[in-house]
Amino acid sequence: AQSVTQLDSQVPVFEEAPVELRCNYSSSVSVYLFWYVQYPNQGLQLLLKYLSGSTLVKSINGFEAEFNKSQTSFHLRKPSVHISDTAEYFCAVSDRVNRDDKIIFGKGTRLHILP
Amino acid sequence: NAGVTQTPKFRVLKTGQSMTLLCAQDMNHEYMYWYRQDPGMGLRLIHYSVGEGTTAKGEVPDGYNVSRLKKQNFLLGLESAAPSQTSVYFCASSLVTFGANTEAFFGQGTRLTVV
Repeated sequence: AQSVTQLDSQVPVFEEAPVELRCNYSSSVSVYLFWYVQYPNQGLQLLLKYLSGSTLVKSINGFEAEFNKSQTSFHLRKPSVHISDTAEYFCAVSDRVNRDDKIIFGKGTRLHILP
Repeated sequence: NAGVTQTPKFRVLKTGQSMTLLCAQDMNHEYMYWYRQDPGMGLRLIHYSVGEGTTAKGEVPDGYNVSRLKKQNFLLGLESAAPSQTSVYFCASSLVTFGANTEAFFGQGTRLTVV
């Protein structure tokens, strides 16, 4: 069964500094990969997704993630964070081959932006 | 465009009481899901539905029941609430398979406390 590991439960970073949120998944078969963001007291929103094609995917607010099949990773990066990026970030995966109806979420990484 | 609406937003129950959480979506989505979110546990799937009149168990279904009598509504029931069911509950919907080439839309959440 698929599983997702987010290696850091919390990441503090200074404003305008770069950040990387790590995500590893368990299976080496074809997968869909997602990053969702949850702002305080809100539901989750899709940030970006990898389905096929280019291994580097980008969001409209400056985040990007790179699919690395050999390392089974999908780390999220931003070169310069803003206070408005304060949120919890969830990595998620689903199985492309079996087209499972379920998507598996990681436990989340809380991003703290320090002034 | 309302998207996914959950009611109520907050509720306090006594142990043994019952209640129903309502999720409504106006996007004509086939798939609907109920998750619970607990600190350090990420999102765990309770039940889901792939269409009107169908339901299926997720990762943590015990103590919950669901119904999908109308395509736009997905109800989550607690027959006899327990303190372990204190959590934030999220409903989500998607046009096709959650993990496939589509985006999942989440409600704002219901914060349930069982005392």
